[in-house]
Amino acid sequence: GQSLEQPSEVTAVEGAIVQINCTYQTSGFYGLSWYQQHDGGAPTFLSYNGLDGLEETGRFSSFLSRSDSYGYLLLQELQMKDSASYFCAVRDQDNAGNMLTFGGGTRLMVKP
Amino acid sequence: DARVTQTPRHKVTEMGQEVTMRCQPILGHNTVFWYRQTMMQGLELLAYFRNRAPLDDSGMPKDRFSAEMPDATLATLKIQPSEPRDSAVYFCASRQGANQPQHFGDGTRLSIL
Repeated sequence: GQSLEQPSEVTAVEGAIVQINCTYQTSGFYGLSWYQQHDGGAPTFLSYNGLDGLEETGRFSSFLSRSDSYGYLLLQELQMKDSASYFCAVRDQDNAGNMLTFGGGTRLMVKP
Repeated sequence: DARVTQTPRHKVTEMGQEVTMRCQPILGHNTVFWYRQTMMQGLELLAYFRNRAPLDDSGMPKDRFSAEMPDATLATLKIQPSEPRDSAVYFCASRQGANQPQHFGDGTRLSIL
């Protein structure tokens, strides 16, 4: 089985940096993904880490440590539009990594 | 910009009625997923198909739910009979390959009265 833990809510101010952590327990591991979902919208893909280290895409970065079963999403220069829910998701060896198991999501509120 | 298309966007119906949700995956994507999202349970995988073949539907209540992919451009999720506890947002997602991200549709917001 799989389980993922991430904080339920995070609040930050515009222009700041925020880190959303995700710890996971899986029976095997292929990679960790991050998705963003605005209220009333669809989840959209942000990043994927298959190997240890940092992946950077513009203002967003994602980090993975497989030995610690831990990853995080880093959002820099926060903007009001970044207010959304952020989900980590694992590909694990169940179904040969074909499926994603999602965490419960972290609701990020960006304040002026 | 290629998108996953879901219909209907909203559905309100009375319990006991049949509900059919449709999904058109992105052209060329060979894997299609159905998810259900609720406040209590979060985002749950119901079923998925690869090359139109069902690979896993263990997340789906078998007595009332069924998922099919009659052709490569259409996936359907049916609930019969529907119950109030089925009220949720149902998302379809498609993917081109195992290492590719999933692309989600805008969802069907289902309310069963």
